[in-house]
Formats: sequence, C-alpha cells, structure tokens
Amino acid sequence: AQSVTQPDIHITVSEGASLELRCNYSYGATPYLFWYVQSPGQGLQLLLKYFSGDTLVQGIKGFEAEFKRSQSSFNLRKPSVHWSDAAEYFCAVGAAGTYKYIFGTGTRLKVLA
Amino acid sequence: DAGVTQSPTHLIKTRGQHVTLRCSPISGHKSVSWYQQVLGQGPQFIFQYYEKEERGRGNFPDRFSARQFPNYSSELNVNALLLGDSALYLCASSPDPPIGPEKLFFGSGTQLSVL
Repeated sequence: AQSVTQPDIHITVSEGASLELRCNYSYGATPYLFWYVQSPGQGLQLLLKYFSGDTLVQGIKGFEAEFKRSQSSFNLRKPSVHWSDAAEYFCAVGAAGTYKYIFGTGTRLKVLA
Repeated sequence: DAGVTQSPTHLIKTRGQHVTLRCSPISGHKSVSWYQQVLGQGPQFIFQYYEKEERGRGNFPDRFSARQFPNYSSELNVNALLLGDSALYLCASSPDPPIGPEKLFFGSGTQLSVL
C-alpha cells in the first residue's frame, strides 16, 4: 500500500539550531516526493520537490532534502532555523500523470527564541 | 496576480445538510484539485478536474461530488453531512494537465464545521 510516514508529530528547536524532519514512504512506482509547509490558517506552500537526478534537492527558505532510495526516506533539513519557520510540515508522494498526492500526517515545528 | 481563492472561509452546518464550497483557480490554470484535511491529519485527495472533466477521484463516498465550470472555477458539493466531514477543504490549481505532479498551488481552504 502507498503511504507516507512522518514519525515526529511535534519537534521543538531553538532558533539558530539545525533541523531535520523525517519522512519515510512506501510507493510501488518511482515516487515523486515533496515537502510542503502550512502556516496556521493558510494553505500549503511547496518547499521543494524531487523527481529524479541529484538526490540532494534545494528548496525555498533555505531548506534542503535528501532522497535515499535504500531507506525509502526523504528527510527535510535546514542548517539554522528562524522563528518564522514555526509551522506544520508535510511530506507527500505522487506519481506522473496525477495530482493525487499522498500526504503524511505532518510534523508541527515549534521554534524557541 | 490573485492566487487560488476559496469561499467561504468558514462554514457551520448541521448533520444531514448539504454544502457547496467554491474555488477560483489562478488565472490561466485549467486544473483544479480538492483535498480534505481533518484536524491532525495530512490532506487527503478527493477530486481532480482538468478542462471540466474529472481526471481523478479519491476514496470518498458518493455524497461528495464536484464539477468544473467553463471559466475553470470549481465547486465541491457534500450531501447528507456527517460529523466526520468537519475539516479544512483545500483547493489547488495547476496550469497543466497531470503529466507530472508539480506546480500545484493551494488556496487557504474552507473550514467546515458540522454540528
């Protein structure tokens, strides 16, 4: 079955600290992988995506993610977190020819000043 | 340019009622998708329309229906509302047919509460 797992429901980091949000997926075909961010009362904003090629992808707001096929993972990282990064982060998987994304349950990030 | 707009932003209904949610895509976008986001969960795919035709459907009961108009705006209809239908309903638009899952732009959603 196709699924996305985000094992951390909540994460708290101090401003300036590094961040890693975990994402594991189960998908039969070659996956297209995404990270989205959602601020309170807002829709989803795409941070980055992976389709093929270089397994380390750069996104907006200083985020990056690394695709590891052997571990079925697509973890999101940021070297130095800013207070404005506090939000909920969703990992998603999709396939060519469809906009039917499968989302994880999300990780809520809290940033301490 | 305006982004994806959804109306209303908030809605309160009672069980058994019917509801219509509306979405206007970004100008020039021809594809609209609908997602349901229950509190504490990730969004779940409901429908996708391209050029007024249904191109995908998620695992939702027939109480859920949608359509896309000639101007590419879309409506999501839910009949016989249940308490479990309470959720944030997100609309997303895209300029292209679903060749690859990218360029999906989300609106801020309609928060539906069923009492």
